[in-house]
Amino acid sequence: EDQVTQSPEALRLQEGESSSLNCSYTVSGLRGLFWYRQDPGKGPEFLFTLYSAGEEKEKERLKATLTKKESFLHITAPKPEDSATYLCAVQTGGSYIPTFGRGTSLIVHP
Amino acid sequence: EAQVTQNPRYLITVTGKKLTVTCSQNMNHEYMSWYRQDPGLGLRQIYYSMNVEVTDKGDVPEGYKVSRKEKRNFPLILESPSPNQTSLYFCASGRRGAFFGQGTRLTVV
Repeated sequence: EDQVTQSPEALRLQEGESSSLNCSYTVSGLRGLFWYRQDPGKGPEFLFTLYSAGEEKEKERLKATLTKKESFLHITAPKPEDSATYLCAVQTGGSYIPTFGRGTSLIVHP
Repeated sequence: EAQVTQNPRYLITVTGKKLTVTCSQNMNHEYMSWYRQDPGLGLRQIYYSMNVEVTDKGDVPEGYKVSRKEKRNFPLILESPSPNQTSLYFCASGRRGAFFGQGTRLTVV
């Protein structure tokens, strides 16, 4: 059974304090790993898709990386508007059903 | 503007009263899906559709039905809602990097 574990569950940072969120997975035949941002009461917003170990993608203050067992979402010099829940999901070969982690709730204090 | 539109946004209903949550997308995507999100459980897929008239079960399909008669629309049907279907529901469009709707908060009493 595919498993996705995100850590930490919650993270509080001061504005400008860089950190990383982790998404570890146990799947067979990874086809893609997805990162989303979700604001309270809203639908997830797509951030990145990573397909193979070693791949990296960046968007503004966010950088996602992928290894064979985990992915990191690095947040550089975060701002209060980066506060949200960050979700990770994986999709495996032969399945059209993604498996989501439970998310990391990030709060950035000014 | 790329959009996934769900209606209604909020719904309170009684056990057993059939309801439909509509979903429409304007991106000409073939793949659409429905999720429910519950505290501590995360997002779980209910049903997905690869194309018109092609639907399949996700992880938690019990108590739900879907139909895909047109490419842009993918309604979720609860024929006899029960309290354990109280949840936050999301429709999504597109397989990789799905676009999500704003959500429907359903309460079944």
